[in-house]
Amino acid sequence: QKEVEQDPGPLSVPEGAIVSLNCTYSNSAFQYFMWYRQYSRKGPELLMYTYSSGNKEDGRFTAQVDKSSKYISLFIRDSQPSDSATYLCAMSASSSGSARQLTFGSGTQLTVLP
Amino acid sequence: NAGVMQNPRHLVRRRGQEARLRCSPMKGHSHVYWYRQLPEEGLKFMVYLQKENIIDESGMPKERFSAEFPKEGPSILRIQQVVRGDSAAYFCASSPPGQISANYGYTFGSGTRLTVV
Repeated sequence: QKEVEQDPGPLSVPEGAIVSLNCTYSNSAFQYFMWYRQYSRKGPELLMYTYSSGNKEDGRFTAQVDKSSKYISLFIRDSQPSDSATYLCAMSASSSGSARQLTFGSGTQLTVLP
Repeated sequence: NAGVMQNPRHLVRRRGQEARLRCSPMKGHSHVYWYRQLPEEGLKFMVYLQKENIIDESGMPKERFSAEFPKEGPSILRIQQVVRGDSAAYFCASSPPGQISANYGYTFGSGTRLTVV
């Protein structure tokens, strides 16, 4: 069993739709949760960063973390064709020291159709 | 302010040759991380370095792979005697000292795509 599970998709939605992306994890030591967006042939870029449980909103993006269920979500409102990319969840047990490594999900490929 | 610079962008090697991948971190960043992305898979951690020190190499294969981050110059990921299974995208990331947060998280480069023929 992988430490982080993510549905690879592909996911295709019409422009303006609400998109829900999810990851589950098995390591209860994870405390830091991130969502990255990766365009084709590019490096990942950080979208959202959350510590422990709760919600965080940034513009059209909302990240949710439920540590009791070991489940994290990313919601994209009013999706745009420019949101078409692969979305990767990532998590870490620590933000400092030797435990800075991130454990990534396999990514969900999203296409927003105009 | 240039981002994380990786070169070459594409690298083709024959089986048995050596591959050297370079990474120059962002200005002011003293921590470097290497990740590997195989087709249809997420990024897998390989190694975490600070200047002249390997902090965590728990993700590095035991043989043929090595990494360094010298006092001067870029970080180098070296793969000796490459095999077809080494074909992947290799990403470098950097971060400043201190705790990782939304403001000081990793910044990834655009990667080096290694193809072993």
